Amino acid sequence: KAGVTQTPRYLIKTRGQQVTLSCSPISGHRSVSWYQQTPGQGLQFLFEYFSETQRNKGNFPGRFSGRQFSNSRSEMNVSTLELGDSALYLCASSLVLGNTGELFFGEGSRLTVL
Amino acid sequence: KNEVEQSPQNLTAQEGEFITINCSYSVGISALHWLQQHPGGGIVSLFMLSSGKKKHGRLIATINIQEKHSSLHITASHPRDSAVYICAAPNSGGSNYKLTFGKGTLLTVNP
Repeated sequence: KAGVTQTPRYLIKTRGQQVTLSCSPISGHRSVSWYQQTPGQGLQFLFEYFSETQRNKGNFPGRFSGRQFSNSRSEMNVSTLELGDSALYLCASSLVLGNTGELFFGEGSRLTVL
Repeated sequence: KNEVEQSPQNLTAQEGEFITINCSYSVGISALHWLQQHPGGGIVSLFMLSSGKKKHGRLIATINIQEKHSSLHITASHPRDSAVYICAAPNSGGSNYKLTFGKGTLLTVNP
């Protein structure tokens, strides 16, 4: 059974650019949640998608957005990148909504903003 | 918002020692997650528990809902257990299930 796949694994952008990250969940999982991890703030919840709808959202500015497709694959987008957006972005898939089921994490996408 | 506190922040042990990592949270929850993160970033879910105790190999997780406290124990620790261990609790109530994470415990097990 294939795990959670995130692409790209590494990327470098400059301030003001935008970036799109992709997450393919485990087959059959309808929930995809996104997290940002930085040395200073640790892991923080960004948002959760379930059945193509955003169900929960963390405390991040509107520059952070996402979507989920009918096959449950999800993308997140960060526009007008800032230096502070440099982080490891992780996604996790689950069978159920709301972080009440086991979470399966991808390897992450490491974003560096110069 | 659920405040999640972990202790200790750093822990160094000798191979074979019994390890305990603690997690306290401020708001009643339905379930708590324990996660393991190795250098390089990948996170693995170790346990999700809502009451009592769960065991998987040398790992044991317990939770006391009344005291809002959970512990992760590692018996007969091994250098391959060296990792960051993170607990996470969802906000309670309504449909808001955002996870709040502890800062993590960096465990180093020396041979």
